[in-house]
Amino acid sequence: GENVEQHPSTLSVQEGDSAVIKCTYSDSASNYFPWYKQELGKRPQLIIDIRSNVGEKKDQRIAVTLNKTAKHFSLHITETQPEDSAVYFCAASSSSASKIIFGSGTRLSIRP
Amino acid sequence: DAGVIQSPRHEVTEMGQEVTLRCKPISGHNSLFWYRQTMMRGLELLIYFNNNVPIDDSGMPEDRFSAKMPNASFSTLKIQPSEPRDSAVYFCASSLGQSNTEAFFGQGTRLTVV
Repeated sequence: GENVEQHPSTLSVQEGDSAVIKCTYSDSASNYFPWYKQELGKRPQLIIDIRSNVGEKKDQRIAVTLNKTAKHFSLHITETQPEDSAVYFCAASSSSASKIIFGSGTRLSIRP
Repeated sequence: DAGVIQSPRHEVTEMGQEVTLRCKPISGHNSLFWYRQTMMRGLELLIYFNNNVPIDDSGMPEDRFSAKMPNASFSTLKIQPSEPRDSAVYFCASSLGQSNTEAFFGQGTRLTVV
Protein backbone atom coordinates (compact mmCIF):
# COMPACT_ATOMS: atom_id res chain seq x y z
CA GLY A 1 0.00 0.00 0.00
CA GLU A 2 0.86 3.66 -0.10
CA ASN A 3 3.43 5.05 2.33
CA VAL A 4 4.02 8.78 2.71
CA GLU A 5 7.11 10.10 4.45
CA GLN A 6 7.39 13.73 5.53
CA HIS A 7 10.24 15.85 6.86
CA PRO A 8 11.24 17.72 8.83
CA SER A 9 9.08 16.87 11.83
CA THR A 10 9.64 20.33 13.30
CA LEU A 11 10.63 23.57 11.60
CA SER A 12 11.28 26.98 13.08
CA VAL A 13 11.74 30.00 10.81
CA GLN A 14 12.04 33.73 11.30
CA GLU A 15 8.95 35.72 10.43
CA GLY A 16 9.23 36.85 6.84
CA ASP A 17 11.49 33.99 5.80
CA SER A 18 10.42 31.00 3.70
CA ALA A 19 9.54 27.51 4.91
CA VAL A 20 9.83 24.29 2.91
CA ILE A 21 8.33 20.92 3.81
CA LYS A 22 9.13 17.81 1.79
CA CYS A 23 7.30 14.53 1.26
CA THR A 24 7.90 11.32 -0.63
CA TYR A 25 5.40 8.65 -1.61
CA SER A 26 5.77 5.02 -2.61
CA ASP A 27 2.81 4.16 -4.84
CA SER A 28 3.36 5.20 -8.44
CA ALA A 29 -0.43 5.07 -8.96
CA SER A 30 -0.92 8.03 -6.60
CA ASN A 31 -2.09 11.06 -8.55
CA TYR A 32 -3.54 13.49 -6.01
CA PHE A 33 -1.48 15.26 -3.37
CA PRO A 34 -3.30 17.51 -0.88
CA TRP A 35 -1.74 19.54 1.92
CA TYR A 36 -3.59 20.13 5.17
CA LYS A 37 -3.01 22.63 7.94
CA GLN A 38 -4.00 21.82 11.51
CA GLU A 39 -4.03 24.54 14.12
CA LEU A 40 -3.84 23.62 17.77
CA GLY A 41 -7.02 21.89 18.90
CA LYS A 42 -8.64 22.19 15.49
CA ARG A 43 -9.41 19.88 12.61
CA PRO A 44 -7.11 19.47 9.58
CA GLN A 45 -8.13 21.73 6.72
CA LEU A 46 -7.06 21.69 3.10
CA ILE A 47 -4.82 24.58 2.09
CA ILE A 48 -3.71 23.51 -1.38
CA ASP A 49 -3.58 20.42 -3.55
CA ILE A 50 -1.90 19.29 -6.74
CA ARG A 51 -2.71 16.63 -9.27
CA SER A 52 -0.21 14.58 -11.18
CA ASN A 53 -0.82 16.29 -14.48
CA VAL A 54 0.89 19.47 -13.26
CA GLY A 55 4.31 20.12 -11.75
CA GLU A 56 3.63 23.25 -9.74
CA LYS A 57 0.72 25.20 -8.31
CA LYS A 58 0.63 28.53 -6.48
CA ASP A 59 -1.89 30.27 -4.29
CA GLN A 60 -0.66 33.59 -2.94
CA ARG A 61 2.17 32.81 -0.50
CA ILE A 62 1.81 29.04 -0.83
CA ALA A 63 3.17 26.84 -3.61
CA VAL A 64 3.46 23.12 -4.15
CA THR A 65 5.77 21.28 -6.50
CA LEU A 66 5.55 17.70 -7.68
CA ASN A 67 8.24 15.47 -9.17
CA LYS A 68 6.51 12.31 -10.34
CA THR A 69 9.69 10.64 -11.48
CA ALA A 70 11.30 10.98 -8.08
CA LYS A 71 7.96 10.53 -6.25
CA HIS A 72 8.35 13.59 -4.12
CA PHE A 73 6.41 16.78 -3.57
CA SER A 74 7.01 19.89 -1.51
CA LEU A 75 5.17 22.75 0.15
CA HIS A 76 6.70 26.21 0.03
CA ILE A 77 5.46 29.08 2.19
CA THR A 78 6.97 32.50 1.48
CA GLU A 79 6.94 35.62 3.64
CA THR A 80 5.89 33.61 6.66
CA GLN A 81 3.58 35.19 9.23
CA PRO A 82 2.71 34.26 12.83
CA GLU A 83 -0.60 32.79 11.72
CA ASP A 84 1.29 30.23 9.62
CA SER A 85 2.31 28.48 12.86
CA ALA A 86 0.56 25.09 12.81
CA VAL A 87 1.08 21.44 11.95
CA TYR A 88 1.16 20.72 8.22
CA PHE A 89 0.36 17.33 6.71
CA CYS A 90 1.05 16.12 3.22
CA ALA A 91 -1.02 13.29 1.79
CA ALA A 92 -1.35 11.08 -1.26
CA SER A 93 -4.25 9.39 -2.94
CA SER A 94 -4.98 7.51 -6.14
CA SER A 95 -8.21 7.47 -8.12
CA SER A 96 -8.28 3.69 -7.97
CA ALA A 97 -7.95 3.45 -4.20
CA SER A 98 -9.72 6.65 -3.08
CA LYS A 99 -8.19 6.47 0.36
CA ILE A 100 -6.01 9.36 1.50
CA ILE A 101 -2.78 8.48 3.30
CA PHE A 102 -1.14 11.18 5.39
CA GLY A 103 2.47 11.94 6.21
CA SER A 104 3.54 12.22 9.85
CA GLY A 105 3.22 16.00 9.98
CA THR A 106 5.54 19.01 10.36
CA ARG A 107 5.17 21.38 13.28
CA LEU A 108 5.98 24.84 11.88
CA SER A 109 6.82 27.65 14.30
CA ILE A 110 7.27 31.25 13.17
CA ARG A 111 9.66 33.27 15.34
CA PRO A 112 8.80 36.98 15.69
CA ASP B 1 -24.26 22.50 5.02
CA ALA B 2 -22.98 22.27 8.59
CA GLY B 3 -20.01 20.18 7.54
CA VAL B 4 -19.03 16.81 8.94
CA ILE B 5 -20.55 16.39 12.38
CA GLN B 6 -19.06 14.15 15.02
CA SER B 7 -20.31 13.26 18.46
CA PRO B 8 -19.43 13.31 21.21
CA ARG B 9 -16.68 15.95 21.18
CA HIS B 10 -15.12 14.49 24.30
CA GLU B 11 -15.46 11.06 25.85
CA VAL B 12 -13.93 9.80 29.06
CA THR B 13 -14.51 6.17 29.86
CA GLU B 14 -13.13 3.43 32.03
CA MET B 15 -11.03 0.62 30.66
CA GLY B 16 -13.19 -2.27 29.54
CA GLN B 17 -16.21 -0.17 28.64
CA GLU B 18 -17.71 0.03 25.17
CA VAL B 19 -17.28 3.31 23.32
CA THR B 20 -19.27 4.42 20.27
CA LEU B 21 -18.23 7.38 18.17
CA ARG B 22 -20.66 8.87 15.68
CA CYS B 23 -20.32 10.71 12.40
CA LYS B 24 -22.66 12.45 9.99
CA PRO B 25 -20.92 13.15 6.67
CA ILE B 26 -21.65 16.07 4.38
CA SER B 27 -24.81 15.45 2.39
CA GLY B 28 -24.01 14.15 -1.08
CA HIS B 29 -20.57 12.87 -0.17
CA ASN B 30 -19.99 9.24 -1.13
CA SER B 31 -16.76 8.47 0.73
CA LEU B 32 -16.29 8.42 4.48
CA PHE B 33 -13.04 7.97 6.36
CA TRP B 34 -12.19 7.29 10.00
CA TYR B 35 -8.77 8.48 11.21
CA ARG B 36 -7.05 8.24 14.58
CA GLN B 37 -4.56 10.94 15.61
CA THR B 38 -1.90 10.52 18.27
CA MET B 39 1.39 12.28 18.90
CA MET B 40 3.33 9.11 18.24
CA ARG B 41 1.58 7.84 15.13
CA GLY B 42 0.13 10.95 13.53
CA LEU B 43 -3.02 10.62 11.39
CA GLU B 44 -3.73 6.94 10.80
CA LEU B 45 -6.44 5.80 8.41
CA LEU B 46 -8.52 3.18 10.20
CA ILE B 47 -11.20 2.40 7.62
CA TYR B 48 -13.00 4.00 4.71
CA PHE B 49 -16.34 3.50 3.01
CA ASN B 50 -17.53 4.17 -0.54
CA ASN B 51 -21.30 4.35 -0.99
CA ASN B 52 -21.77 2.91 2.52
CA VAL B 53 -19.64 -0.15 1.75
CA PRO B 54 -16.39 -0.73 3.69
CA ILE B 55 -13.59 -0.76 1.15
CA ASP B 56 -10.43 -1.03 3.22
CA ASP B 57 -10.28 -1.77 6.94
CA SER B 58 -6.62 -2.75 7.01
CA GLY B 59 -5.90 0.14 9.37
CA MET B 60 -8.22 -1.09 12.10
CA PRO B 61 -5.82 -1.97 14.91
CA GLU B 62 -7.54 -5.12 16.16
CA ASP B 63 -10.83 -6.91 16.56
CA ARG B 64 -11.87 -4.62 19.38
CA PHE B 65 -12.52 -1.97 16.73
CA SER B 66 -15.50 -2.11 14.38
CA ALA B 67 -17.15 0.41 12.07
CA LYS B 68 -20.50 0.53 10.34
CA MET B 69 -22.26 2.77 7.87
CA PRO B 70 -25.92 1.74 7.79
CA ASN B 71 -26.88 4.60 5.46
CA ALA B 72 -25.38 7.52 3.57
CA SER B 73 -25.80 9.95 6.44
CA PHE B 74 -24.46 8.05 9.43
CA SER B 75 -21.46 6.04 10.52
CA THR B 76 -20.22 4.66 13.83
CA LEU B 77 -16.86 3.54 15.14
CA LYS B 78 -17.07 1.21 18.10
CA ILE B 79 -14.38 0.07 20.50
CA GLN B 80 -15.23 -2.87 22.74
CA PRO B 81 -13.61 -3.32 25.19
CA SER B 82 -11.71 -0.05 25.36
CA GLU B 83 -8.12 0.16 26.63
CA PRO B 84 -5.98 3.11 27.78
CA ARG B 85 -3.86 2.88 24.61
CA ASP B 86 -6.97 3.71 22.59
CA SER B 87 -6.84 7.25 23.96
CA ALA B 88 -6.55 9.58 20.96
CA VAL B 89 -8.48 12.03 18.83
CA TYR B 90 -10.68 10.25 16.32
CA PHE B 91 -11.59 12.15 13.16
CA CYS B 92 -14.25 11.37 10.63
CA ALA B 93 -13.91 12.86 7.15
CA SER B 94 -15.99 12.74 4.00
CA SER B 95 -15.47 13.50 0.33
CA LEU B 96 -17.39 13.40 -2.92
CA GLY B 97 -15.74 10.10 -3.65
CA GLN B 98 -14.84 11.06 -7.18
CA SER B 99 -11.26 10.92 -8.27
CA ASN B 100 -9.01 12.96 -6.12
CA THR B 101 -11.26 15.32 -4.24
CA GLU B 102 -10.86 17.12 -0.96
CA ALA B 103 -11.67 15.34 2.28
CA PHE B 104 -13.51 17.48 4.82
CA PHE B 105 -12.86 16.68 8.46
CA GLY B 106 -15.19 16.77 11.41
CA GLN B 107 -14.11 18.42 14.64
CA GLY B 108 -13.01 15.12 16.09
CA THR B 109 -13.78 13.16 19.23
CA ARG B 110 -11.16 13.26 21.97
CA LEU B 111 -11.29 9.87 23.67
CA THR B 112 -9.67 9.26 27.03
CA VAL B 113 -9.70 5.76 28.47
CA VAL B 114 -8.71 5.60 32.13
